[in-house]
Amino acid sequence: AQKITQTQPGMFVQEKEAVTLDCTYDTSDQSYGLFWYKQPSSGEMIFLIYQGSYDEQNATEGRYSLNFQKARKSANLVISASQLGDSAMYFCAMRVLTSGSRLTFGEGTQLTVNP
Amino acid sequence: NAGVTQTPKFRVLKTGQSMTLLCAQDMNHEYMYWYRQDPGMGLRLIHYSVGEGTTAKGEVPDGYNVSRLKKQNFLLGLESAAPSQTSVYFCASSSPGTGGNEQYFGPGTRLTVT
Repeated sequence: AQKITQTQPGMFVQEKEAVTLDCTYDTSDQSYGLFWYKQPSSGEMIFLIYQGSYDEQNATEGRYSLNFQKARKSANLVISASQLGDSAMYFCAMRVLTSGSRLTFGEGTQLTVNP
Repeated sequence: NAGVTQTPKFRVLKTGQSMTLLCAQDMNHEYMYWYRQDPGMGLRLIHYSVGEGTTAKGEVPDGYNVSRLKKQNFLLGLESAAPSQTSVYFCASSSPGTGGNEQYFGPGTRLTVT
């Protein structure tokens, strides 16, 4: 079975500063993918970034980067230069390629960016 | 290109009533999913489908049924609604493969069972 753990129910950051959202995962599969989604107060799910288990480099997408430490089974999201619009719920999720590429989600971290 | 759409957006049911939620995608994706999101929690998989005519159970399938008669549509049915099924329901779709092909989500359906 797969499990995602996000230990920070809420995080606060000052505008323009960087913030790290923690995610640890558990799986016995060797091939898997890790995703981060953003859910603003309007409710939609927005894909941010992806990291494959065999990717040697950490993924980056604009201001988002994923700090992937395979031995520690962690996949932390780093947001640089935070903006007020980054205030949202952030979910870490894992996909295992067996079982129809289904996603297992963590419980999320509510990020608040202060002006 | 509408992506993933869900009908209805909101619904209030009385205990014991039935309803069907419709999900449609226009991206020709093979895989489709139904999740529920309860307050303060992540999404949990109800049922999913890896192709037309196939369905499979997810983490929390009890009380729900699904059908995938057409590739672009995935229906979620509640035969006898219970207050515990009050939730926000998300549909998603994706293509198969080993890369970063993410799941695309619909806007959600907010269901209240009284």
